[in-house]
Amino acid sequence: AQTVTQSQPEMSVQEAETVTLSCTYDTSESDYYLFWYKQPPSRQMILVIRQEAYKQQNATENRFSVNFQKAAKSFSLKISDSQLGDAAMYFCASYRPDMRFGAGTRLTVKP
Amino acid sequence: GAGVSQTPSNKVTEKGKYVELRCDPISGHTALYWYRQSLGQGPEFLIYFQGTGAADDSGLPNDRFFAVRPEGSVSTLKIQRTERGDSAVYLCASSLIDSYNEQFFGPGTRLTVL
Repeated sequence: AQTVTQSQPEMSVQEAETVTLSCTYDTSESDYYLFWYKQPPSRQMILVIRQEAYKQQNATENRFSVNFQKAAKSFSLKISDSQLGDAAMYFCASYRPDMRFGAGTRLTVKP
Repeated sequence: GAGVSQTPSNKVTEKGKYVELRCDPISGHTALYWYRQSLGQGPEFLIYFQGTGAADDSGLPNDRFFAVRPEGSVSTLKIQRTERGDSAVYLCASSLIDSYNEQFFGPGTRLTVL
């Protein structure tokens, strides 16, 4: 079974600055998907960004981008121009053969 | 509503009791997932439905846990003889086809077993 590891339990960033959240995964599948989800205190998980493993180009969604290193099995999330509303738990996840989540990184944004 | 809804939002029960947790997915979503999230952890996969059938129930921890989706929409997660270790937030998600598509999550049910 695949595993997902987030080695940073907590991260902090100054408003308007850039922060990178780390994620590594392990899978024997050749075709899989990777995700970053955000979970605010309301508990509702919100998809931030998705990467198909067969695509070499890194996914980007507005201020959010990923650095996908397939050989290293690394999938980090970069948040640019951090905003107060970005404060939340962030979970990295992989799909295939089933959906596995990391333990999460709590992001604090300082005004 | 447009999103995934879960009821109740909170459930407190006593050890040994039976509980049912309900999930109402987004209309038209054929895939439905249940996860369990313990304090300080990421969601843990429990079961995945495609239509009415359980396509993958490998995450159910034991036979006290059971889930149904009789008409391919609403799903109920049933827990028998609850134990204190079952206390967690139970999340439901739905997607259009399968996990290749974005999963939309509900707000979860916080289950507390005393």
